[in-house]
Amino acid sequence: GDSVTQMEGPVTLSEEAFLTINCTYTATGYPSLFWYVQYPGEGLQLLLKATKADDKGSNKGFEATYRKETTSFHLEKGSVQVSDSAVYFCATASGGSYIPTFGRGTSLIVHP
Amino acid sequence: NAGVTQTPKFQVLKTGQSMTLQCAQDMNHNSMYWYRQDPGMGLRLIYYSASEGTTDKGEVPNGYNVSRLNKREFSLRLESAAPSQTSVYFCASSEAGGRNEKLFFGSGTQLSVL
Repeated sequence: GDSVTQMEGPVTLSEEAFLTINCTYTATGYPSLFWYVQYPGEGLQLLLKATKADDKGSNKGFEATYRKETTSFHLEKGSVQVSDSAVYFCATASGGSYIPTFGRGTSLIVHP
Repeated sequence: NAGVTQTPKFQVLKTGQSMTLQCAQDMNHNSMYWYRQDPGMGLRLIYYSASEGTTDKGEVPNGYNVSRLNKREFSLRLESAAPSQTSVYFCASSEAGGRNEKLFFGSGTQLSVL
């Protein structure tokens, strides 16, 4: 079945620092790839997605590029804010049902 | 906008007790899901319902049952709770599946089994 490997956290950064959270996947066929974000005390919400190779998903200053050759979908942001502090989940979906399989999540802590 | 509503938000059970977690969505979505979230494990799929009247097992179905009561509601039942079922449970819904599909999540139920 599908699987997702994310870098372990927590990732601790100062405000305005550059963020990278690594994500690699294994999946059958041509999966769709997603980043979800979970703020404290809330459910997950979709941050961005990409559905084919070389697509770039972007939202709220975050970006991730679907790299089929390296089976990766790394999340980046040029300048993080305290309000970006949350847990970030990478997910892949493939096969007939396209039900997402999630990684373990990476906690991001941004200090003022 | 209510979206996906889960009840209760918190619950403490003793080993062997039973309970039902409720989930309802008001977006007219066809598909609904139950995940559990454990530290260091991410989210794992328990059961899902692709459409009204159908349910299927996910990655970790043992110890759980589900009912798709109608298009809006999808409940998760623990018949005899065990400490290993201590977790945060999330219900989610989506329009109909497919590679562009976005899941909408509830705010979760924190369950402790003593």
